[in-house]
Amino acid sequence: AQTVTQSQPEMSVQEAETVTLSCTYDTSESDYYLFWYKQPPSRQMILVIRQEAYKQQNATENRFSVNFQKAAKSFSLKISDSQLGDAAMYFCAYLIPNNDMRFGAGTRLTVKP
Amino acid sequence: EPEVTQTPSHQVTQMGQEVILRCVPISNHLYFYWYRQILGQKVEFLVSFYNNEISEKSEIFDDQFSVERPDGSNFTLKIRSTKLEDSAMYFCASRVTGGSYNEQFFGPGTRLTVL
Repeated sequence: AQTVTQSQPEMSVQEAETVTLSCTYDTSESDYYLFWYKQPPSRQMILVIRQEAYKQQNATENRFSVNFQKAAKSFSLKISDSQLGDAAMYFCAYLIPNNDMRFGAGTRLTVKP
Repeated sequence: EPEVTQTPSHQVTQMGQEVILRCVPISNHLYFYWYRQILGQKVEFLVSFYNNEISEKSEIFDDQFSVERPDGSNFTLKIRSTKLEDSAMYFCASRVTGGSYNEQFFGPGTRLTVL
C-alpha cells in the first residue's frame, strides 16, 4: 500500500526566514509523482510544486523547492523568504500514473511577522 | 485559465436527507474524481470515474454514495441518506487522459454540514 507520512503537524517560521516541511512515503512503484499542495483557510487545494520520480533534479518554483531523496523515499519542501501569505496547511501527496492521489495528514505552517 | 468549479460552496442538510454535490470539470478532461476531507484530517480518495463508469473506489465509498455524469459537463456526487460523519469538505478533481503524467486539477470544494 502506498502511504504518505508528514511527521510535523505544525511548524512555525519567522517572516523572511526559511522553513523545511518533511514528507516520507512508502511505495513499491518505480514510476510515480510527488506533490505539495497548499490549503489556505478557504480550504481550496492549490498546487505548489511537483516532482517526477524519474527526474534526479529537484524541482523549484520561485521561493519553493524540494529535496527529493528517492532511495530514502523522502520529499521535503523548502520555503525560502517566507511571507505572511504562506501561512496555510501544506499537504504532501503521491500519485501513480492513472491512479488516485494519496495525501499525507498535513502540516500547519504559521508565519510570524 | 480553465478551472474545475463546484456548487454549492456550502451545503447544510439534516441527517437522513439526500444531497447532490455538483462539479463541472475542465472541458477536455475525461477522468473525474471525488475526494473528501473531514475537518482537521487529510484528504481521502472516494471514487474515480471514466467513460461513464466508476473505475476505482475506496472503502469509504459505500452504497450510500453514487456518482453520475448526467450530461456533457456536470459530474455529481450523491449521498443518499446523510449521516453526521458525512460532514466534510468534498473536492472534485479532473484530468486529461493519455501520457504518463496527468495532473489532477482540484475544484474549490463543497463544505457539507450534516445536522
